Amino acid sequence: QITLRESGPVPVKPTETLTLTCTFSGFSLTSSGVGVGWIRQPPGRALEWLGIIYWNDDKDYSPSVKSRLTITKDTSKNQVVLTMTNLDPVDTATYYCAHRYSTWGPFDYWGQGHLVTVSS
Amino acid sequence: SYVLTQPPSVSVAPGQTASITCGGNNIGGQSVHWYQQKPGQAPVLVVYDDSDRPSGIPERFSGSNSENTATLTISRVEAGDEADYYCQVWETGSGLDVFGGGTRLTVL
Repeated sequence: QITLRESGPVPVKPTETLTLTCTFSGFSLTSSGVGVGWIRQPPGRALEWLGIIYWNDDKDYSPSVKSRLTITKDTSKNQVVLTMTNLDPVDTATYYCAHRYSTWGPFDYWGQGHLVTVSS
Repeated sequence: SYVLTQPPSVSVAPGQTASITCGGNNIGGQSVHWYQQKPGQAPVLVVYDDSDRPSGIPERFSGSNSENTATLTISRVEAGDEADYYCQVWETGSGLDVFGGGTRLTVL
């Protein structure tokens, strides 16, 4: 059974750096093709894909956040970490991590989401 | 960047068929995935690779994809199908993922 769970701070101040951890079970991020992606959703708005890391440490980022976003993995801990710098109130959103089994495949398992509020 | 266009809302009476479209340039050449999201919950995959269903998803959910439009079809709509629906592709040109703007399905 695949599960994912996001964790991290709730209130973050503008210009600060956000660090979110996705802890997963039921799969290995060393298996060929597997990836863990990050998707966010501002309140009342649509899903926005942020980026993804794959089993072979390949990474892709959305152009809209590429300059501020870093995704890393720790396979020994079954964790993926999102780091986003220079936060702004427009970054207020629920952040989800999700599993995919191949590069072009769907996000078939999602975490429950973690609401991040950026406010002074 | 690749853009996926969905209608903001679709309304349908119970028992009828709902069709939710997702437009994109030559989307027929991509694999399209569809997600259902109910208020306060994480998205759930309901159709993948244009027309396949994950286990546990009712046969009432189906999909198609051709040329510039992909479609999610929900037959015999039930009150419990009321939700936001999102299409998504991994765009082969850029190698990046894209979500549509979402469609709110209202069951009258």
